[in-house]
This record gives sequence, C-alpha cells and structure tokens, in this order.
Amino acid sequence: DAGVIQSPRHEVTEMGQEVTLRCKPISGHDYLFWYRQTMMRGLELLIYFNNNVPIDDSGMPEDRFSAKMPNASFSTLKIQPSEPRDSAVYFCASRGDEQYFGPGTRLTVT
Amino acid sequence: GQSLEQPSEVTAVEGAIVQINCTYQTSGFYGLSWYQQHDGGAPTFLSYNGLDGLEETGRFSSFLSRSDSYGYLLLQELQMKDSASYFCAVRDKQAGTALIFGKGTTLSVSS
Repeated sequence: DAGVIQSPRHEVTEMGQEVTLRCKPISGHDYLFWYRQTMMRGLELLIYFNNNVPIDDSGMPEDRFSAKMPNASFSTLKIQPSEPRDSAVYFCASRGDEQYFGPGTRLTVT
Repeated sequence: GQSLEQPSEVTAVEGAIVQINCTYQTSGFYGLSWYQQHDGGAPTFLSYNGLDGLEETGRFSSFLSRSDSYGYLLLQELQMKDSASYFCAVRDKQAGTALIFGKGTTLSVSS
C-alpha cells in the first residue's frame, strides 16, 4: 500500500486566499483524522471521520476551517479565508488497527 | 479533558539506554501509543500498550501501568538515527477513537 497520501506537500499563499488540502487514506481504513502541528501547540486534532461521517470537529479552530469526506478514499480540509496564524504543518492520518500519518502539508500564509 | 506530560528534551550517547516517561490524565482510558518523528517528517507508529506490562519491538520497548497512569518508552543500543522527537498519545472515551498527543520529547544522540 502507498500509505496515506497528501497534497500539496507545500503551499504558500497570501492572507485572505482560500486553501484546500487533500488526503487519500489507506485503503480499508475506516477512520480519517486531520491534525495541525506547530511549535507552540504541538500536534492538535482538528477533526475526524468514521466511515466518511464527521464524528468530532471540536478541534476545528474557527468557522474559517471546514473538512469534508465525500467518499472512503478522499478528504479535504479547507481554510477560507486564510490568515498568517494558520501557518503550520497539516497532517492527515488514517486508522485500521493503528493510526498512520501522511507526509503532511506545510502551509505558509504570508 | 486529557493531559499528557513528558520531558521536553533528553540527551544521550550512542550505545546508551534512554527512558522517556509519560504521565497522563484521561477519562475512560483505552491505551497508550508511542510515535517517532524526525525533523521534517511525519509521526510514525512505534508501539501500543492497551494492558499493563512491557511490549518489546527490537531495540524499543514500551511499558504501561494503568493504575499509575504512567508509561515509558525505552530505547536501547542508541544510534545516531534515533535522534528525533518521541510522542506519547492516548485514546480515551472523551476523544472517541482519536489519538491525543503529548508535546513530545526531543532526543539528541551524540557520538
């Protein structure tokens, strides 16, 4: 298996722009998680899905953040409008027996 | 809510043994996991303890004491490539099936 796939790997955008991060989980995994990692706050859980249904989005920082999982093999995390404080590495992870992370998207908002 | 405490930094030399401790507070604890993350990389799964005791995987072992809300990761025969951040993470009823991570311990291995 290719593991969890994320795109893009790097994103640089200007404040106010819309950003969309993409994730393809490991086939057969029924849980998908979005995390954000910064030096100050560490690894924070933003939202997770079970069988494509959002279960807990209490970690989503603001209404500017939204996530969807239209099918078992694809999820998006959208930030609209983006702000400099959103700069971080965003990880997608999926879980079967254990949780496996994708390579992350390094987002820089200027 | 949940809280996890682990040391922020540990240093050691090649060939040594290092223990990284983790204490946690949760409601309805399910288990403790350990992840390794190299600079610029993704967290990678190392081990999981659902029951009390020691789990061994090669040079790495992990221990859990549920009564003490405590666990540790033991790294033996340290190598330079073990320099990384190590995170403990809990799964508990409040978080559902999601893993909640500690702040991480940065391990620096020198020659």
